[in-house]
Amino acid sequence: DQQVKQNSPSLSVQEGRISILNCDYTNSMFDYFLWYKKYPAEGPTFLISISSIKDKNEDGRFTVFLNKSAKHLSLHIVPSQPGDSAVYFCAASAVETQGAQKLVFGQGTRLTINP
Amino acid sequence: EAGVTQFPSHSVIEKGQTVTLRCDPISGHDNLYWYRRVMGKEIKFLLHFVKESKQDESGMPNNRFLAERTGGTYSTLKVQPAELEDSGVYFCASSPRADRGRIAQYFGPGTRLTVL
Repeated sequence: DQQVKQNSPSLSVQEGRISILNCDYTNSMFDYFLWYKKYPAEGPTFLISISSIKDKNEDGRFTVFLNKSAKHLSLHIVPSQPGDSAVYFCAASAVETQGAQKLVFGQGTRLTINP
Repeated sequence: EAGVTQFPSHSVIEKGQTVTLRCDPISGHDNLYWYRRVMGKEIKFLLHFVKESKQDESGMPNNRFLAERTGGTYSTLKVQPAELEDSGVYFCASSPRADRGRIAQYFGPGTRLTVL
């Protein structure tokens, strides 16, 4: 049962344009969402997060949008740069006992930025 | 500030052998998590420590896996005996205590385990 889904295994974008990565979830108990970026042979690097009480969070070139009614979130990268080429994972967690935050991950989307 | 470190980076063992993975979290982080990624699939939760106590071990696949965090600092994950399906990348993550709100987890580089 895949609770977090990234339906696009790969995405190719021209340098300087906008990259949009999508993520859908099924568990309505999820209340905190994160995006991680992963380079080969490295661990996931935290990028940006959003709480369910918000619908948008922005950090520099990265913006995450949350649509709770659609159970959908997206990551926008503007402008896209060659160094953004990596695998991007969407993750979610539900309210649990204090400090407990089991993350549920999507399968990842490989983003390639073309010069 | 040093990040999460894991040792070894790679381990190749034969089926039936024992392997112990180590994770050193970011200093001061009470929460420590183990995750696993098998065959390029999604990263899956294994277990969660708060200091030295196991908070949630619902993701541990079976009793061949044993995790410890003595003293609430570093953690070890032992696989005994290893099976072919245990091959994958084992990630450790840590986060500080969050009295209010939610907080991100910071991941180590992972240990790639290959069971032959």
